[in-house]
Amino acid sequence: GESVGLHLPTLSVQEGDNSIINCAYSNSASDYFIWYKQESGKGPQFIIDIRSNMDKRQGQRVTVLLNKTVKHLSLQIAATQPGDSAVYFCAETVSGSARQLTFGSGTQLTVLP
Amino acid sequence: EAGVAQSPRYKIIEKRQSVAFWCNPISGHATLYWYQQILGQGPKLLIQFQNNGVVDDSQLPKDRFSAERLKGVDSTLKIQPAKLEDSAVYLCATRGANTGELFFGEGSRLTVL
Repeated sequence: GESVGLHLPTLSVQEGDNSIINCAYSNSASDYFIWYKQESGKGPQFIIDIRSNMDKRQGQRVTVLLNKTVKHLSLQIAATQPGDSAVYFCAETVSGSARQLTFGSGTQLTVLP
Repeated sequence: EAGVAQSPRYKIIEKRQSVAFWCNPISGHATLYWYQQILGQGPKLLIQFQNNGVVDDSQLPKDRFSAERLKGVDSTLKIQPAKLEDSAVYLCATRGANTGELFFGEGSRLTVL
């Protein structure tokens, strides 16, 4: 079974607003986490990653937060744009596991005009 | 840099028929993965190669699925005979030696009737 899941299957936000996508993981041994974006008909695309020795990591318009105490991960997208509409997956892995990722079921983000 | 190439993009077959998918990785990427993504779910690992050797095929239904990467570059995934539940997108991903990032192809969508 899957060890990574998401709280909400769909999320709709107004263009320009900030988006927050949440993810819960169950494997306490996981120490590397990645967020992927998947547009319709395409493969997943890397957005940002974080290691377990960090609580926060920022990229361009995106921030990932990691709370190891409650095994929770979130992706924040600032000033959401129509091009951000996609399914977002979190994935986890354990170092030394040959980088085998376990993916959650995804959240569909829809950006409203 | 060319991405991960997959073909065919779409395939429709009847149950009990066979099908093969092809993947050409990013040049120099030694690690190659095949994932199965059922509609509405996250990708699930089928098999992992390191060069031409299998690292992990524990989740590959070996009674009907097979995969090879004979020369450590291109890979093929075969299903024979196909079942209805094999309808999914089959994603190939590759990773270079010095990065944790997986690069995905656009996938091959299989419909089994």
